[in-house]
Amino acid sequence: AQSVTQPDIHITVSEGASLELRCNYSYGATPYLFWYVQSPGQGLQLLLKYFSGDTLVQGIKGFEAEFKRSQSSFNLRKPSVHWSDAAEYFCAVSTLRGSGGYNKLIFGAGTRLAVHP
Amino acid sequence: EAQVTQNPRYLITVTGKKLTVTCSQNMNHEYMSWYRQDPGLGLRQIYYSMNVEVTDKGDVPEGYKVSRKEKRNFPLILESPSPNQTSLYFCASASGLAGISGANVLTFGAGSRLTVL
Repeated sequence: AQSVTQPDIHITVSEGASLELRCNYSYGATPYLFWYVQSPGQGLQLLLKYFSGDTLVQGIKGFEAEFKRSQSSFNLRKPSVHWSDAAEYFCAVSTLRGSGGYNKLIFGAGTRLAVHP
Repeated sequence: EAQVTQNPRYLITVTGKKLTVTCSQNMNHEYMSWYRQDPGLGLRQIYYSMNVEVTDKGDVPEGYKVSRKEKRNFPLILESPSPNQTSLYFCASASGLAGISGANVLTFGAGSRLTVL
C-alpha cells in the first residue's frame, strides 16, 4: 500500500539556519510528490511538486526539494529559515485512480517547524 | 479571487445533532474532496467527487455523507455526529485529468474545526 513517512514530528531551528525536512514514500510506480505548508489557522498551500524531469525542484518562499528514487525520498530544504516559516509541513504522494482519473493524495503525518529568533 | 470557501469555520455541537459543513469553489473545478486532519495522522480522505452526481468513498467515510448536485458545491453531512468525529476538516478542489496534465493540484479551503461533545 502507498504510504508517506515524515520521521520528524517537531523540528526547531534558529532563524537564519538551514533546514531539511525529511520525507520517505512507498509507492510501486513513478510517484507524483508534493510538499504543502499549513500556517496556523490556514488551509494548506502548495510549496512545490515533482512530476518528472529534473530531480531538484524549486518552489515558493525559497524552498526546494530533491527527489531521490534510490532512497524513496523527497526531502524539503531551505538554506536560510525566516521566522515566518514556522508552520506545519506535509509531504504527499499522488496515486492514480485508474486511467484518466484524478490522483488521490496520501499525506504524511506532518512536521511542525518552530523557529527561534 | 479563486478560492475554496468552507462554513462554518468553527462549530461545537452535541452527539447526535445532525450538521452540515458547506464547501464552495469558484474555479469551475470538476474534482472536489473532503479530508480530516488529526494530530499524528496527517490528512485522510473522507469522500471525493469527480463531477456532478459522481461521488465515492475515501479512506475514512464512516459516519459521513456527501452530495454533489452542483459543480461548485460539495457539502459534508454528519447525520449523527459522535465525539470521534471531532477534527479539523478541509475541503479541496482541483481541475484537470491526471492522464492529460499530470497529477491534479489541490486548492484547499481554510478548514472547519468541529468539536462534538
